[in-house]
Amino acid sequence: NAGVTQTPKFRVLKTGQSMTLLCAQDMNHEYMYWYRQDPGMGLRLIHYSVGEGTTAKGEVPDGYNVSRLKKQNFLLGLESAAPSQTSVYFCASSYLASGRGEQYFGPGTRLTVT
Amino acid sequence: RKEVEQDPGPFNVPEGATVAFNCTYSNSASQSFFWYRQDCRKEPKLLMSVYSSGNEDGRFTAQLNRASQYISLLIRDSKLSDSATYLCVVNSGGYQKVTFGIGTKLQVIP
Repeated sequence: NAGVTQTPKFRVLKTGQSMTLLCAQDMNHEYMYWYRQDPGMGLRLIHYSVGEGTTAKGEVPDGYNVSRLKKQNFLLGLESAAPSQTSVYFCASSYLASGRGEQYFGPGTRLTVT
Repeated sequence: RKEVEQDPGPFNVPEGATVAFNCTYSNSASQSFFWYRQDCRKEPKLLMSVYSSGNEDGRFTAQLNRASQYISLLIRDSKLSDSATYLCVVNSGGYQKVTFGIGTKLQVIP
């Protein structure tokens, strides 16, 4: 039982490049989330999903897209990376909605955009 | 006013001390509250949920004060292993989304 896994763990991009961050969970959770964490700021919600095939915008969705084609996977895409997207990205999943119960986080992806 | 506010610290306390953190929230309609712990360069992990009646888990006690809109976390008999950042989490915009505080850093000193 791996919990929540994220790939890659580290990545350096140049401005304008694109990439996809992969998140997988093996707990059969309905809810999945993508957050970013920056110094001096709390985790901020980018996008979330309440089930396979559904996605919704969070607090800071601009510049990101997501897909949830399979229940266990939640993908975060950066179409044209910008230095402002340098951050640590955490994926999370939960059995109940995040406001009702525990979220389980992946180990994070450290992204630098130069 | 920020939705969730925490003193970032750091709080430097000796082993065995008792330390308390507060977290204020602005949305009086918030219904659920949590404390997460985050070790350096690691992911957040749930420490405890905060119930209206307050709750205790070993050395940790969490309380909610709805009138003043804050939650608190009390750690008794601090251990070196308690050194971490403690994140306050409050539901916002319904149960689908929560807001994280910036965290309070605790350093327990030998």
